[in-house]
Amino acid sequence: TQLLEQSPQFLSIQEGENLTVYCNSSSVFSSLQWYRQEPGEGPVLLVTVVTGGEVKKLKRLTFQFGDARKDSSLHITAAQPGDTGLYLCAGDVRSNFGNEKLTFGTGTRLTIIP
Amino acid sequence: DAGITQSPRHKVTETGTPVTLRCHQTENHRYMYWYRQDPGHGLRLIHYSYGVKDTDKGEVSDGYSVSRSKTEDFLLTLESATSSQTSVYFCAISETGGRVEQYFGPGTRLTVT
Repeated sequence: TQLLEQSPQFLSIQEGENLTVYCNSSSVFSSLQWYRQEPGEGPVLLVTVVTGGEVKKLKRLTFQFGDARKDSSLHITAAQPGDTGLYLCAGDVRSNFGNEKLTFGTGTRLTIIP
Repeated sequence: DAGITQSPRHKVTETGTPVTLRCHQTENHRYMYWYRQDPGHGLRLIHYSYGVKDTDKGEVSDGYSVSRSKTEDFLLTLESATSSQTSVYFCAISETGGRVEQYFGPGTRLTVT
């Protein structure tokens, strides 16, 4: 089973600060997704990265896929309370039947203090 | 928002009883998934379906079975619930497998006493 480890598991910072969270694996993924989940709701996709070394920006969020496609990072600039949530990375793997599915990471719970 | 509903949204049941959770979609997506979410584990795949009557196991399938007789419905059954199956269960759908976006339902909170 592929394993995606996210760090830190919990992060609490003041509004306006910058932060980076990480998603690491010993396995290679053909693509990696980042989701955000708010309390009482299901996860919602933020971005998909496909190419090794790829960088994507979504307003104040910057996502990077590692050159070897084994890891990824999410950097948030000037964090705001609305960024609070559980951040999940997910990599795609191929099943025994050849059907691709996602393996989710352990999650980073981010709290932005006003 | 993708049309995904889960029922029930909350359930408390006793150890040893059977439980069935339902996921219903209105998007006509081919793939449907059942995950469980527990603190420190993120989301773990239980079973998924890549078409009507076509299913495959995920990483935590022991103690669970699924059925999909129609495109729009995917049922998750706990044959004999145990306390270790207390969790929040999410259904997700996608047009194809792999890297495409998965759309999640609102979740079902199951407590086994």
